[in-house]
Amino acid sequence: GAGVSQSPSNKVTEKGKDVELRCDPISGHTALYWYRQSLGQGLEFLIYFQGNSAPDKSGLPSDRFSAERTGGSVSTLTIQRTQQEDSAVYLCASSRTSGGGDTQYFGPGTRLTVL
Amino acid sequence: GESVGLHLPTLSVQEGDNSIINCAYSNSASDYFIWYKQESGKGPQFIIDIRSNMDKRQGQRVTVLLNKTVKHLSLQIAATQPGDSAVYFCAAEGNGGADGLTFGKGTHLIIQP
Repeated sequence: GAGVSQSPSNKVTEKGKDVELRCDPISGHTALYWYRQSLGQGLEFLIYFQGNSAPDKSGLPSDRFSAERTGGSVSTLTIQRTQQEDSAVYLCASSRTSGGGDTQYFGPGTRLTVL
Repeated sequence: GESVGLHLPTLSVQEGDNSIINCAYSNSASDYFIWYKQESGKGPQFIIDIRSNMDKRQGQRVTVLLNKTVKHLSLQIAATQPGDSAVYFCAAEGNGGADGLTFGKGTHLIIQP
């Protein structure tokens, strides 16, 4: 497809379980971003990847969150020992280049529900 | 840090009228601004962007105005249609994109028939 894809589209899990969310950016886009959107809120920036470079993890909400990007393309966001406050829509975006000023295109998101 | 806010959580307009959605930002170092539209259950969809060296940019039925002096951004939608009903977010970028986009909380645009 031509757009950013994310999987799964919905994930329901029990408190304390680990979850893994996947993002496939637009082909050829070097920059990849993860955001979190809580119900009725704007988007909160989590982490940014430029190619294969090590990301700045300071935006992640806690040390239960981690993300990686292999081969400069697909990215996974992992949440360990999920808590109810982790329930949100997790959105991924990619842009053609990094360095700012380039449009970020968003995927449809993964809706995570922690029971 | 950056904060981005919207003046109204809900805006209701008559079909065919023009809509104006406003946004304020706090970081004068922000140099790139984007408006997104988000429909229920979908990811944000790019509408229009503007860089800090411009004060106006026009697209198809949409215009973005940037006033750097007062750090204010607006989105004008001409001749609104039912399909324009959505939540509209403004977003600001600084630091070369490394800090991602800072989003406002959104304005819900409702089109009355």
